[in-house]
Amino acid sequence: GENVEQHPSTLSVQEGDSAVIKCTYSDSASNYFPWYKQELGKRPQLIIDIRSNVGEKKDQRIAVTLNKTAKHFSLHITETQPEDSAVYFCAATLSGYSTLTFGKGTMLLVSP
Amino acid sequence: DTAVSQTPKYLVTQMGNDKSIKCEQNLGHDTMYWYKQDSKKFLKIMFSYNNKELIINETVPNRFSPKSPDKAHLNLHINSLELGDSAVYFCASSQDGSYLAKQFFGPGTRLTVL
Repeated sequence: GENVEQHPSTLSVQEGDSAVIKCTYSDSASNYFPWYKQELGKRPQLIIDIRSNVGEKKDQRIAVTLNKTAKHFSLHITETQPEDSAVYFCAATLSGYSTLTFGKGTMLLVSP
Repeated sequence: DTAVSQTPKYLVTQMGNDKSIKCEQNLGHDTMYWYKQDSKKFLKIMFSYNNKELIINETVPNRFSPKSPDKAHLNLHINSLELGDSAVYFCASSQDGSYLAKQFFGPGTRLTVL
């Protein structure tokens, strides 16, 4: 089955800095990669996703890049704000009826 | 206007008891899921139902029995609760079961087994 590795497990940045979270996946057939944000005590919420036929996608301060050859994808957050503090999960899924395989999460702490 | 709701939010019980968690979605989605999030925050799929039919069962002990009375509801019944069952259980739904379908999560049920 699919295996998703996520790094780092914790990331501390100063407000205004950029943050990058990286994930690798094992199954080259995976072709959909969503990112979820989970604030403390809350539900995971989809923040951005990317399909395998796209190399990069941007939505305001967040962007995701995908390198299919290397089987890795990354989340980039620019101009971080304290409200960006949360646990971020990457995930991957295969075609057809499939389920998300999540990475183990990255706790992002943005200090004012 | 809650999209995916779960009850109860907290559940504290003794080992060996049987308990149920309920989930409802008002998004008109066909597919619903149960996830378990352990103390280390790891999210793992347990079950997936499409239009009331089980499509994914990720080697979950048979003490866990999901039931979908209709496509808007997916309940989780757990028999003979064990300490290791303590976790946060999230229900989710998506338009359909395809790999591109965005999943929307419920608020979670924190289960504590004493």
